[in-house]
Amino acid sequence: AQKVTQAQTEISVVEKEDVTLDCVYETRDTTYYLFWYKQPPSGELVFLIRRNSFDEQNEISGRYSWNFQKSTSSFNFTITASQVVDSAVYFCALSEDSYSGAGSYQLTFGKGTKLSVIP
Amino acid sequence: GAGVSQTPSNKVTEKGKYVELRCDPISGHTALYWYRQSLGQGPEFLIYFQGTGAADDSGLPNDRFFAVRPEGSVSTLKIQRTERGDSAVYLCASSLSGYLSPLHFGNGTRLTVT
Repeated sequence: AQKVTQAQTEISVVEKEDVTLDCVYETRDTTYYLFWYKQPPSGELVFLIRRNSFDEQNEISGRYSWNFQKSTSSFNFTITASQVVDSAVYFCALSEDSYSGAGSYQLTFGKGTKLSVIP
Repeated sequence: GAGVSQTPSNKVTEKGKYVELRCDPISGHTALYWYRQSLGQGPEFLIYFQGTGAADDSGLPNDRFFAVRPEGSVSTLKIQRTERGDSAVYLCASSLSGYLSPLHFGNGTRLTVT
């Protein structure tokens, strides 16, 4: 069974600080996909990144960066120089290839980390 | 362009009543998903449509829940004999093709069963 754990329930940082959101996953599949979504107060989940299990290269997009380590089953997300607009709930999610192969794109989400950036 | 639209945004109903929640996906998106998000939790998968057919309904909690997508576009999630435990935000998402396409979520329908 697949599982995603986001141990940090809530994090508060002062604007311009860096912050890392942790994500640990469990899966028996060798092929899987990891995601991060942002959910601002408006409620809409916004896609941030998808990473497949064969690509451990870290990725940077502006102030966002992701560190994927299969050895520790982790896919952590770092925001550099945080801004008030980064305040949201962030979800890590996992999709196993066994579902993708059937055409389904069933995501298993963690419980989310609520990030508050204080001006 | 327009994103995924869900109506109503809020729905309050009495225990035992029937409710319908509507989802308008992004135009051209063939895949459509329903998720349910309880307070303080991540979204949980309910059902997936590819075109008009339900390709995976393994997440529906019981037979009180049913969803349709008769013309391969708009989808309706139907809940019979609602229970207080059904109270949650129901999220709809669509994607271009399903496989490896990012999901685009709507703002959800907040269902409250009193």
